[in-house]
Order: sequence, then C-alpha cells, then structure tokens
Amino acid sequence: GENVEQHPSTLSVQEGDSAVIKCTYSDSASNYFPWYKQELGKGPQLIIDIRSNVGEKKDQRIAVTLNKTAKHFSLHITETQPEDSAVYFCAPRKKSGGGADGLTFGKGTHLIIQP
Amino acid sequence: DTEVTQTPKHLVMGMTNKKSLKCEQHMGHRAMYWYKQKAKKPPELMFVYSYEKLSINESVPSRFSPECPNSSLLNLHLHALQPEDSALYLCASSQPFRGTSGRHNEQFFGPGTRLTVL
Repeated sequence: GENVEQHPSTLSVQEGDSAVIKCTYSDSASNYFPWYKQELGKGPQLIIDIRSNVGEKKDQRIAVTLNKTAKHFSLHITETQPEDSAVYFCAPRKKSGGGADGLTFGKGTHLIIQP
Repeated sequence: DTEVTQTPKHLVMGMTNKKSLKCEQHMGHRAMYWYKQKAKKPPELMFVYSYEKLSINESVPSRFSPECPNSSLLNLHLHALQPEDSALYLCASSQPFRGTSGRHNEQFFGPGTRLTVL
C-alpha cells in the first residue's frame, strides 16, 4: 500500500508570508495528488489537485508542484491570510480498475497564520 | 447542492446503547464513505459503498454496522461501543469511476458527528 509522509506537522507563518507543505509518497504508480483543507468543526475539503502528466498547477494564491522522479508533491500558499489557518492533508492515490476507493491521508499539517 | 449532511452533530452514548449515525447527499453520487477521525489524526477509511453495495470494509469491528438504504442515504449503526471508539465520524460521497481510464473523482465530506462513548 501507499506510504505517505507529510512535513512539517506544524507550520506557523506571519500573515502575508508564504507557506509550503511537502508530501512524500512511496507508490510509483500513484498518479493523482490532491490537497485537502480541514477547518475546525468541518470535514476536509478539496482545495487543489494535480495529475501525473502535469508538473504544476495554480489557483489564485495556492499552487501544487509535483516531482514524480523524487515522488513528492508540495502545496504552496502565497500572501497567507487568517482564513488559511487550518489543517492540510495530502492524499496521493493511483487509478484503480473501477469502482470507488477511499483516501489514504498524510498525517496532516497544522498551519497557523500569525497576525 | 454540493452539501453532505450528517446527523446528529454530537452524540453521547453508553457502552450498552444502540444508536445510528445518518448521512445524506443529493448530488447524485453513487459512492459513499465512512471515515473515523481521532483528535489530531487524519481521517481513516472504514467503509465504502459503491452503487449501494458494500465494496470495502477496512477490517472494522462488527459493533459498527453500515447500511446504504438508497443512493442518497448512508447509515452507521452502533452497538456495544467502547470508550476508544470516541471520535469524529465523517461521511463522504463521490462519483465512482469505471475502468482503467476512469477519472479520480472528488470526495465531498460532511461536517461529521462527534461521538463520545462513556
């Protein structure tokens, strides 16, 4: 099965600065790389994802970069704002033969935005 | 409507009680999931239903019994739980994907039920 490592476990940054969270995976067959955000009292929510035929994807202040050779992908948040404070999870996965698969999450990163 | 609803929000039960958690979605999704999340940990998969049939059971103890009465509803029946079962129980839904060229479809999560077993 997939072995997922996520770093750091806690990240504190000043409002307006950038934050980077890294996820390392073991299964070279993985081809889909999403990031989920979980705010207090809520379920996880997909914020950005990337597929293995793309090296980078941006959506306003957030971006995901993928290095398939090194088997890691990263979440980048620029111009951080208080509402970015949350726990972020990566959940790399591979295409299965059909049906539905559950997600295997990394251990999570608690991002704290300091005013 | 991209919402998954879960009831109740909070539940306190004794070890001899029987209770049920409920999950509902109206996005037309045909895959539904139960996850368990302990404090400061990631969600862990418990069960997957695909087209109203149980397709994955991650070796969950039989005191947890899932049920999918129709394509919009998912229940989790609880009986004789232990204090260590106290956790946040999350429901999610997505479209399942077919074949080797299938897409990875986004899972939409509900807010969860906070369960405390005394």
